[in-house]
Amino acid sequence: RKEVEQDPGPFNVPEGATVAFNCTYSNSASQSFFWYRQDCRKEPKLLMSVYSSGNEDGRFTAQLNRASQYISLLIRDSKLSDSATYLCVVKGTGGFKTIFGAGTRLFVKA
Amino acid sequence: NAGVTQTPKFQVLKTGQSMTLQCAQDMNHEYMSWYRQDPGMGLRLIHYSVGAGITDQGEVPNGYNVSRSTTEDFPLRLLSAAPSQTSVYFCASSQGGNLNTEAFFGQGTRLTVV
Repeated sequence: RKEVEQDPGPFNVPEGATVAFNCTYSNSASQSFFWYRQDCRKEPKLLMSVYSSGNEDGRFTAQLNRASQYISLLIRDSKLSDSATYLCVVKGTGGFKTIFGAGTRLFVKA
Repeated sequence: NAGVTQTPKFQVLKTGQSMTLQCAQDMNHEYMSWYRQDPGMGLRLIHYSVGAGITDQGEVPNGYNVSRSTTEDFPLRLLSAAPSQTSVYFCASSQGGNLNTEAFFGQGTRLTVV
């Protein structure tokens, strides 16, 4: 079983739609959680950290459920520019070993 | 700000050749790591370092060596290239000692082994 698993995608949605991505992790000792965004043939970049209380950044909302070892990302009012691959990222104990999910591809269409 | 610089951006090797992928960061980050990215596999951790003189293996270390003689540099060496090492390689760095620090990536090296 992979340490971090994500929805396989791809997700094809129209502009303005709301879309949700899910991610599960296997190591209950994991301590830090993130969503990264990766554009085609580019390097990953941090989208947002994920906190136990849930957090929001504009149209993006991230949630963490430690009991279920589950992370989610909600994108509201999708834009064409949101088309990218979204990577779920988990840091293990000590904060150094960082594991990436395989990513979920999102296509937003006009 | 340069951030994380990787060289080369593209490379073609013949099976059995060796080469070094260079990675340098100018942010004084303690933690540096190397990943490879293959279609459908996400980024897989090859090796990482928590500071100068300290390295450790990640998920897929076989066929790769690393060293960390300075805080700034973390080169990745392919000892004898194989077609299975065809991939996109990313170097990343982050500040040490804080769980919630962001990882900054280089632009990647696209390696083809023929």
